[in-house]
Parts: sequence; structure tokens; C-alpha cells
Amino acid sequence: QKEVEQNSGPLSVPEGAIASLNCTYSDRGSQSFFWYRQYSGKSPELIMSIYSNGDKEDGRFTAQLNKASQYVSLLIRDSQPSDSATYLCAVNRVGNQFYFGTGTSLTVIP
Amino acid sequence: GAVVSQHPSWVICKSGTSVKIECRSLDFQATTMFWYRQFPKQSLMLMATSNEGSKATYEQGVEKDKFLINHASLTLSTLTVTSAHPEDSSFYICSASGLNSPLHFGNGTRLTVT
Repeated sequence: QKEVEQNSGPLSVPEGAIASLNCTYSDRGSQSFFWYRQYSGKSPELIMSIYSNGDKEDGRFTAQLNKASQYVSLLIRDSQPSDSATYLCAVNRVGNQFYFGTGTSLTVIP
Repeated sequence: GAVVSQHPSWVICKSGTSVKIECRSLDFQATTMFWYRQFPKQSLMLMATSNEGSKATYEQGVEKDKFLINHASLTLSTLTVTSAHPEDSSFYICSASGLNSPLHFGNGTRLTVT
């Protein structure tokens, strides 16, 4: 079983819609959870961190964490074409070990 | 926010030569630095993890004698690709993390070996 799993997509949503990205992780001892955005040909950029159960909102982005279900999600409201990118879920375990999913490709259609 | 500087952004070298890539954490002490490689349209591939003052831990299949990693201080790590070959052409990305903090990435280095 992979440490972090994401649906590779591609996920396509129309402009203005909500994009929902999902991630599951295998280690219950995981402590910190992150979402990164990677544009083609660029390095990943941190967009959200979440450390406790529940929702965390930052602008159009909402991260949701459910440790009981070992599930992390990212919602993007009012999706824009500029949101088109690959979104990486990352999990940090004890000992500063980071594990990444393979990423979900999102396309926002104008 | 935390900044990780990676240099150079791109480099072209001849086959058989060595290339050094630098990764610096500008405003925090990086207890751990990670080196990734990414081929076009593929996922990030972790090459090695380095902690300041100790030898790097390489992932399976990564040749430690070919990809030399030095993490001499809490703000600087270097990756040297030795005797580069065309198949080493890739996008190399460093990242750094302080204690109990997110991972921040450098802008990457695009290496082309001719």
C-alpha cells in the first residue's frame, strides 16, 4: 500500500465550479498534511497546511482533514483557469519524513 | 514565507562533466533537505534525504557515487552530478524543512547534458 494515494485524474471542471481533490494516507501516526500546487515545468508551491481535524479555509481554498478516516481533501471554490495545475498531497510523519502522492491533474475549462 | 533558493535555474553541460547545484534556505534553518528529480509529465522522485552534518540517505536505485550530496550547514546543501550523461538530463528540485514545519521547494534546476 502506498503511503499517500491520490486519484491521478485528470479532473476537469468548468470555470466558477468547485474542484474537489482527495487524498488518503496509510500511517495513522502522520502528523501534518499539506497541499502543493505544481504548474507544468515549475517546482511545487505550498498552498495549504492542516494539522488538526476539521476544515481550514484560506481564500478560495479549503483543506479538510479526517484523521479517523485517514483522509485529506482540498476544495477550490470559484475555480479559475489559472488553477489548472497538478495538485500534490503530502504527509509528514514523525522524524520529519515527507511522503507525496503522485498528484492530481486539474484542468479548469473557461 | 519561507524561501528556498536553488541555483542555477538551468544548466547545459557536456557528457562526462560534473555539475553542482546549490540549495539554500534563506530565512530558516533547514534541519532536513531533500533532493528530487522529475522527468517530463512524471511525478516527483525522491533521490535522497540529507540532514546537516551527516551523510545523505539515498533512495533505492539512486547511485550515491554519481549524485554526491553535501549538507555542510543548516542553510546549504549541494548536489553534484558527476560524470553526467544525457540520461541524467532532468529537472532537479531541492526542498528544505525546519523542525515541525512544512516543506518548501526551490525553483528547480533544469539540467541538459549534451
